[in-house]
Amino acid sequence: SQQGEEDPQALSIQEGENATMNCSYKTSINNLQWYRQNSGRGLVHLILIRSNEREKHSGRLRVTLDTSKKSSSLLITASRAADTASYFCATSSNTGKLIFGQGTTLQVKP
Amino acid sequence: EAGVAQSPRYKIIEKRQSVAFWCNPISGHATLYWYQQILGQGPKLLIQFQNNGVVDDSQLPKDRFSAERLKGVDSTLKIQPAKLEDSAVYLCASSTLQGVSYNEQFFGPGTRLTVL
Repeated sequence: SQQGEEDPQALSIQEGENATMNCSYKTSINNLQWYRQNSGRGLVHLILIRSNEREKHSGRLRVTLDTSKKSSSLLITASRAADTASYFCATSSNTGKLIFGQGTTLQVKP
Repeated sequence: EAGVAQSPRYKIIEKRQSVAFWCNPISGHATLYWYQQILGQGPKLLIQFQNNGVVDDSQLPKDRFSAERLKGVDSTLKIQPAKLEDSAVYLCASSTLQGVSYNEQFFGPGTRLTVL
């Protein structure tokens, strides 16, 4: 079963613009993670935010977590064509099990 | 550091045939996961191993799917017999356990299975 729902399902922007993706989930979590998947390839871990954290940064990535609303957002600033990929949020329980959302497909036009 | 290795990368079989996938996790990673990713969807966990023991196999269709990790290192996932709806990418991932917290998962390139 899918825990998370991502919004939007697809996003198309110009290079240099910011991209924001949202994720909502249903049950309590240990942490929430964001992954990137380029076409036809495996997933790459981007960032992990724990349930007691509200915001985290990594390079051009900014993740927020609101456990009261059971939602998270991923912001990619100053996007590049190489950021074109599918982005997934995944919630983790205390057993380490990841439950993924459906993903957001991001296209960054040069 | 070598990543998670999977083989084969692609497999085409006919329905009712059998197929097996192999995964070698990152050295030292005690936790190993198998996921199924159907086109257009996020990955779904099939089974999670901690060393050679099963932690979670609640979503593994046990009438046709089986997995083992006998020596607590590499793992095989088998489908017997395959159905059309098994067409998907099968991803293997591994992670470490820090105290009681699981760290990020590292994914292999996946095996793309097509069932005709």
